[in-house]
Amino acid sequence: AQSVAQPEDQVNVAEGNPLTVKCTYSVSGNPYLFWYVQYPNRGLQFLLKYITGDNLVKGSYGFEAEFNKSQTSFHLKKPSALVSDSALYFCAVSPQGRALTFGSGTRLQVQP
Amino acid sequence: NAGVMQNPRHLVRRRGQEARLRCSPMKGHSHVYWYRQLPEEGLKFMVYLQKENIIDESGMPKERFSAEFPKEGPSILRIQQVVRGDSAAYFCASSPPGDTQYFGPGTRLTVL
Repeated sequence: AQSVAQPEDQVNVAEGNPLTVKCTYSVSGNPYLFWYVQYPNRGLQFLLKYITGDNLVKGSYGFEAEFNKSQTSFHLKKPSALVSDSALYFCAVSPQGRALTFGSGTRLQVQP
Repeated sequence: NAGVMQNPRHLVRRRGQEARLRCSPMKGHSHVYWYRQLPEEGLKFMVYLQKENIIDESGMPKERFSAEFPKEGPSILRIQQVVRGDSAAYFCASSPPGDTQYFGPGTRLTVL
């Protein structure tokens, strides 16, 4: 069985500063890893995914994530945060394109 | 290209009534997934369907819940004899085979 851990319930960062939202995973076999963002009362929007290849994945809205196999991590990053990035972020893992297992979510608060 | 559509967006039912939630996948997507999100929690997988087939229902409660994805028309998640604990946001996602899942806006079910 697979699992995802997002150790921080909330991350606070000042606008213009870099941000990191942490994610670690456990899965047998090669993982498919995803980041989604959820705005209030909305569905989830896909940000980026890692399946294979380059460990640094670039996604939507300037976000990127780094896959680290030895640390079983897939942290989300952005060089310069915007107030509009404030939202709930979910990391997810899937065994080869089947059902997603989500982390508990991390609330990102970007202060002006 | 329209995204994943769900209706109704909000549904209020009294205890003991039936709830029917509909999901129309993105054009060209033959796979549908249903997830449930309880307040302040992450999403939990319920069921994975292809046209006329249930592929994985390991996340579905054993009683009162059923899902279908007929040859024609939307996927339906049906909850019989609703109880207060069924109150949640129900999200549908669709994908091509083995590819990224794209989410609908969700149906927020309130059981009085």
